[in-house]
Amino acid sequence: DGGITQSPKYLFRKEGQNVTLSCEQNLNHDAMYWYRQDPGQGLRLIYYSQIVNDFQKGDIAEGYSVSREKKESFPLTVTSAQKNPTAFYLCASTDRGRNSPLHFGNGTRLTVT
Amino acid sequence: DQQVKQNSPSLSVQEGRISILNCDYTNSMFDYFLWYKKYPAEGPTFLISISSIKDKNEDGRFTVFLNKSAKHLSLHIVPSQPGDSAVYFCAASDGGGGADGLTFGKGTHLIIQP
Repeated sequence: DGGITQSPKYLFRKEGQNVTLSCEQNLNHDAMYWYRQDPGQGLRLIYYSQIVNDFQKGDIAEGYSVSREKKESFPLTVTSAQKNPTAFYLCASTDRGRNSPLHFGNGTRLTVT
Repeated sequence: DQQVKQNSPSLSVQEGRISILNCDYTNSMFDYFLWYKKYPAEGPTFLISISSIKDKNEDGRFTVFLNKSAKHLSLHIVPSQPGDSAVYFCAASDGGGGADGLTFGKGTHLIIQP
């Protein structure tokens, strides 16, 4: 079954620690995205990558970092510089067709205390 | 400044009736619109889309209507079923070709009452 796998589903960290969220896809999609969802908010774009070894900042990139060393993988690191890291994080991918819908993973709920 | 607005945070509809979810946008450069459905603790799934060259697109129980002059679109679900209870996100694309040009609304929580 093709899809996007995010792990872990729940993650707990102490304030001041960096944490990396995993995202793997086997859809052979070129483009991958990280979104953040907060209660009562829409999805906000953190980072995106349209090809391997290249990525761009989204609307709320501060305090986050990414890498794209492989087509299948797009890990997101939430650094200690992110002021409000507790949120639901969604990874998505799409092929290069114009207006192709996003395919989302099931998300990672990060709680920082 | 919200470019895509879903003004109803929640909507309650009786099973079997029609559900109408609304979405307004301000950016006249948006030329493609999508609806996503999301269950709790899961990722959103694509539901239906419409290009700005059309005013209606239908897929089974789901129909999306676009009124460009009013910068308004709506999603109709008929008949509504219990499994339709979810959060629905409206999204608009500015034609950039990728999801980096996609703007999401805040979502409407649809509750189908038995």
